Amino acid sequence: DAGVIQSPRHEVTEMGQEVTLRCKPISGHNSLFWYRQTMMRGLELLIYFNNNVPIDDSGMPEDRFSAKMPNASFSTLKIQPSEPRDSAVYFCASSTGQKETQYFGPGTRLLVL
Amino acid sequence: AQSVSQHNHHVILSEAASLELGCNYSYGGTVNLFWYVQYPGQHLQLLLKYFSGDPLVKGIKGFEAEFIKSKFSFNLRKPSVQWSDTAEYFCAVNAPNTDKLIFGTGTRLQVFP
Repeated sequence: DAGVIQSPRHEVTEMGQEVTLRCKPISGHNSLFWYRQTMMRGLELLIYFNNNVPIDDSGMPEDRFSAKMPNASFSTLKIQPSEPRDSAVYFCASSTGQKETQYFGPGTRLLVL
Repeated sequence: AQSVSQHNHHVILSEAASLELGCNYSYGGTVNLFWYVQYPGQHLQLLLKYFSGDPLVKGIKGFEAEFIKSKFSFNLRKPSVQWSDTAEYFCAVNAPNTDKLIFGTGTRLQVFP
């Protein structure tokens, strides 16, 4: 199995631009998680889906952030408009659900200038 | 709210030294516990996990952890560290009744040859 796939691996953009991060979970996994990692705040859960349905989005910072999972093999995290404080590494993880091990993707390193 | 505490933020050891990283959690019910490792520039990888049974869990690369329910602890140990163990280590616990993982703030381990 290829593991969790994320794209792009690196993104540099200017403040105000829209940023879209993509994630393909491991086939057969029905839970998907988006995390953000920064030096100041550590690893934060932004949102997670179960069977393509958002279950908990309480970690989404504000309305500029949105996430979708149109099918079992694809999810997006969008930031519009982006701000410098959004600079971080964004990880996607997937699991078979119900308290099982989460497998992390390689992350997208985002820099907003 | 449930929380995970990692009291050692930065640990520096010489090769062959013994390692113990502390992890305490605040929830009193049934929990699943995890240790993840993040090597420099890489994504999080599962080191070991405890769901039930023998409270002494053995993971990859010679790591082990002991679940002590009375102390709400899940400390990570390795009898003899190597330079290649230099990484950041995260303790995590499943929040009750959800698939959410709550992560500690991480412990950065540096091993010098």
